[in-house]
Amino acid sequence: KAGVTQTPRYLIKTRGQQVTLSCSPISGHRSVSWYQQTPGQGLQFLFEYFSETQRNKGNFPGRFSGRQFSNSRSEMNVSTLELGDSALYLCASSVTGGPLRDEQYFGPGTRLTVT
Amino acid sequence: GENVEQHPSTLSVQEGDSAVIKCTYSDSASNYFPWYKQELGKRPQLIIDIRSNVGEKKDQRIAVTLNKTAKHFSLHITETQPEDSAVYFCAAEYKAAGNKLTFGGGTRVLVKP
Repeated sequence: KAGVTQTPRYLIKTRGQQVTLSCSPISGHRSVSWYQQTPGQGLQFLFEYFSETQRNKGNFPGRFSGRQFSNSRSEMNVSTLELGDSALYLCASSVTGGPLRDEQYFGPGTRLTVT
Repeated sequence: GENVEQHPSTLSVQEGDSAVIKCTYSDSASNYFPWYKQELGKRPQLIIDIRSNVGEKKDQRIAVTLNKTAKHFSLHITETQPEDSAVYFCAAEYKAAGNKLTFGGGTRVLVKP
């Protein structure tokens, strides 16, 4: 079974631009969560999607948004990029997530650099 | 609020010694506590998890203990090996926040040969 994949792996953008990151979960997984990883803040939860619906949201500004498609693939979008958005963005998939917590499998991440 | 404190932030041990990492959480309703290992340049991987209906779980050289009364849980690695060098993250599932997984700040473990 193929693992979680994320595209692109590396991205360089300038302040004010917007960016879209993509995550393809493991086949059969319906829950996709997104995390921001920075050296100073560790792993910060962005949001979780399940069956095309946002099930949970972290404490990030509205510039961060996401969606999930019927095939469980997910995208996250960051608008009006700021220097502080430079980070590794990880997605993780699980079969159900939520209250029936099962193991999350992480993707390799997208390294976003904002200049 | 949703908070997971993890200590220490760095840990250096001699090969063969034990390593212990501790985490505390604030939501008494939390009932799922995973531990992830992240090697340099790689993705986090689940190494062990524990649910609140058990107090301890072991998997070879790795064990996790949970004290629900005190709201803390710990990772124990025995007979450490150089390949155990990595960053370890604990996490707790917050029922009050819609089952959101909140991560600790991470512990960088260095096993010296």
